[in-house]
Amino acid sequence: NAGVMQNPRHLVRRRGQEARLRCSPMKGHSHVYWYRQLPEEGLKFMVYLQKENIIDESGMPKERFSAEFPKEGPSILRIQQVVRGDSAAYFCASSPYSNQPQHFGDGTRLSIL
Amino acid sequence: DAKTTQPPSMDCAEGRAANLPCNHSTISGNEYVYWYRQIHSQGPQYIIHGLKNNETNEMASLIITEDRKSSTLILPHATLRDTAVYYCIVRVTGANSKLTFGKGITLSVRP
Repeated sequence: NAGVMQNPRHLVRRRGQEARLRCSPMKGHSHVYWYRQLPEEGLKFMVYLQKENIIDESGMPKERFSAEFPKEGPSILRIQQVVRGDSAAYFCASSPYSNQPQHFGDGTRLSIL
Repeated sequence: DAKTTQPPSMDCAEGRAANLPCNHSTISGNEYVYWYRQIHSQGPQYIIHGLKNNETNEMASLIITEDRKSSTLILPHATLRDTAVYYCIVRVTGANSKLTFGKGITLSVRP
């Protein structure tokens, strides 16, 4: 049973470019969560989605960041016009229902030049 | 979400039990206690969770006090691969089911 798959594992962008991070949840999981871990800091919740719907985006920066989880295909976290402060590890987690444990992927490490 | 308090670090000898404490004195009746760990450069790994009864699985045991204000994660026979940051998290379920990570406790298992 494949776990949560995130790609790419490493992504390098120049300031001002766009970054797209993909997350394929575990089979049968329709709830997806995105977290960010800045260097030397803890994980911070960003957004919670359930197939085509954003349930909670209280942790998402108001500008430049967006997330989607379409009916078909992976969940996408999109960062427009990236800045140096966006450099971090971005983790995706999934669960079959909201009251079940979340299982994490190994993250995408985003570096901004 | 209620907050948790964990010591910053601890160590134990390989093969011995590792007992990781957590205080959550303001936990609400509908909040579960979850434990995750993060091995360097990997994603967090789910370990175990419970509401009020003690729980055991193939990885660990979770002991929750009767008043639910604290808990202990027990790794019965620690190995070097158990060296990681362990997070104790209290969590409601439903629409507000995000995980709020603190700083966790760094467990170092020594040979």
